[in-house]
Order: sequence, then C-alpha cells, then structure tokens
Amino acid sequence: EAGVTQSPRYAVLQEGQAVSFWCDPISGHDTLYWYQQPRDQGPQLLVYFRDEAVIDNSQLPSDRFSAVRPKGTNSTLKIQSAKQGDTATYLCASAPGTDTQYFGPGTRLLVL
Amino acid sequence: GDSVTQTEGLVTLTEGLPVMLNCTYQSTYSPFLFWYVQHLNEAPKLLLKSFTDNKRPEHQGFHATLHKSSSSFHLQKSSAQLSDSALYYCASGGSNAKLTFGKGTKLSVKS
Repeated sequence: EAGVTQSPRYAVLQEGQAVSFWCDPISGHDTLYWYQQPRDQGPQLLVYFRDEAVIDNSQLPSDRFSAVRPKGTNSTLKIQSAKQGDTATYLCASAPGTDTQYFGPGTRLLVL
Repeated sequence: GDSVTQTEGLVTLTEGLPVMLNCTYQSTYSPFLFWYVQHLNEAPKLLLKSFTDNKRPEHQGFHATLHKSSSSFHLQKSSAQLSDSALYYCASGGSNAKLTFGKGTKLSVKS
C-alpha cells in the first residue's frame, strides 16, 4: 500500500514569495491533516479536513495561509507572502476517520 | 488546551542499557496517548498507542504504560540498540482526532 506522498520535498524562497505544497493521502483515508514542524519542535496542527470539508483551521494563519481539498482526496497548502518565521517542515498526514494518523515525508521550507 | 511535556533535549545511552523517555500530559478529558518515532529525514511513524482497557502496548521491544493517576505515558525498552537512535515524540489525542505533540526527545545510542 502506498503511503502519504508530498511534493516538493524542499523549497527555498525569499521573503514575500508564495509557495504551494501538495499532499496525496493514503487511498481511502477520509481525514487529512497539515502540520507545521519548526526546527527542534514537535508537529503543530494547522488545519484538518474530513473529505472536502474543513473541520478545524483555528491554528492556520488565515491572512497568509490557505488550504483546500476540493475533491476529498489530494490537498494543497499555500503560503502567500512567506516570512522567515515560516521556515519549518510541513507535514501532511491522513487517517481513516479518527484512527491512527500516517505521516508523509514532509516538505522542508527555508525562507531567506 | 491540551499539553504534552517530554524529557527535553538529548538522551545519550550506551547500547544494551535500558531506555526510559518521560511523557506527561494535561487534558480536560481522558485522551489516547501515542509515541511516534522520527528517523533523520523521514516521516514520523507510530510506535505505540495506549489502549482503552489499560493493556500495555508493545512494539519493537518498546512499551509504555498509561498511568491516569499521574497523567504519564513513559516510553521504555529493556535494552537499547544502535538503530533506536531517532527523535521520539509523545502525543495526546481525543475522539476528535486532533493530536497535540510534545517537543520531542532525541535519543542517541552509542556502542
């Protein structure tokens, strides 16, 4: 069974640039999560979906971050006007319902 | 909100010695507790999950016991192996599936 896939694996930006991250969850998993993992810290939930619906985006900086999952499968996380403080690894995870979450390899973002 | 506190920083052990990584949690309900392991440049992988019936989960020689009285879920292994070197995260979660992670403990096992 294929795991969660993410792309790109690495991204380097100047402040003010935009970037999008893409996630393909495990087939059949209806729940999808996006986490931000700053260096030397644990993952912190940004947003999660059940099918195409946003369940909780309370930790998503709404002025610059957005996330969609239009068909309830793949998802895109976008950062408009990146800041140095956005430097982190962005992890996607999926799960069947509320069961165990399986993580993708992450996208490592460096904002200069 | 929920919070998870782990042994912070780096734990260095000699191969063959026992492992114990501490994890305590604060929550307004009785959450599930998890241990995830993350090897260098890899995704976090589930190592252990607490049971609802107080059984002790075990995997790859690791085990952890949920003690509700002390709000703890410490990770243990009787004999460390070089391949156990990794980052270990404790996390709590409820029926809404949201996980709260600790800051992580880096385990380094040396020969």
